[in-house]
Amino acid sequence: GESVGLHLPTLSVQEGDNSIINCAYSNSASDYFIWYKQESGKGPQFIIDIRSNMDKRQGQRVTVLLNKTVKHLSLQIAATQPGDSAVYFCAESQVGGYQKVTFGTGTKLQVIP
Amino acid sequence: GAVVSQHPSRVICKSGTSVKIECRSLDFQATTMFWYRQFPKKSLMLMATSNEGSKATYEQGVEKDKFLINHASLTLSTLTVTSAHPEDSSFYICSAREVEAKNIQYFGAGTRLSVL
Repeated sequence: GESVGLHLPTLSVQEGDNSIINCAYSNSASDYFIWYKQESGKGPQFIIDIRSNMDKRQGQRVTVLLNKTVKHLSLQIAATQPGDSAVYFCAESQVGGYQKVTFGTGTKLQVIP
Repeated sequence: GAVVSQHPSRVICKSGTSVKIECRSLDFQATTMFWYRQFPKKSLMLMATSNEGSKATYEQGVEKDKFLINHASLTLSTLTVTSAHPEDSSFYICSAREVEAKNIQYFGAGTRLSVL
């Protein structure tokens, strides 16, 4: 079936460096994508989203890039901090109606002090 | 941002008992709430979609008689795990979508259920 997956299960980054977390999706009907951060023992926290009519969106220290041609999106975190250590999930959905959100498998980001 | 409160955060129960988990949107109205289950080091698995005033829509493979969902108001949905067994032990997470917002779901902190 359709799925959303991630290339790297674990990513270790030195504090202060930039982090890039990748995600591949396969549902060509998806037109809305979200990144969530989940800390241990907590629920996911919304980070940033992007619609398919855009290829880039920036937030505070985070940037999401969307490449519809290859069905790929990425989350870039600038100047990674220890507090960024968590599991990051990409999720896909559709804008119209009350569409459910499908989560990818997750990438664990470890920030090395 | 929008706040979703989930209670309890942790519950331990004996096999055969029922457990109710509450999910509340504190500062917004949510016509739709979602219930997820998450196993250790795994992604979130959608169990059901809860719509205010109507029956929940369950995902394939999820027993509706086992996991009872009630969405009685625009700010409250409950999940009851009936006749819980050890295999029901898991992390259950709810989320709520604001009425007029796009597809952003705001998540509760989760409930760790341990069935002895």
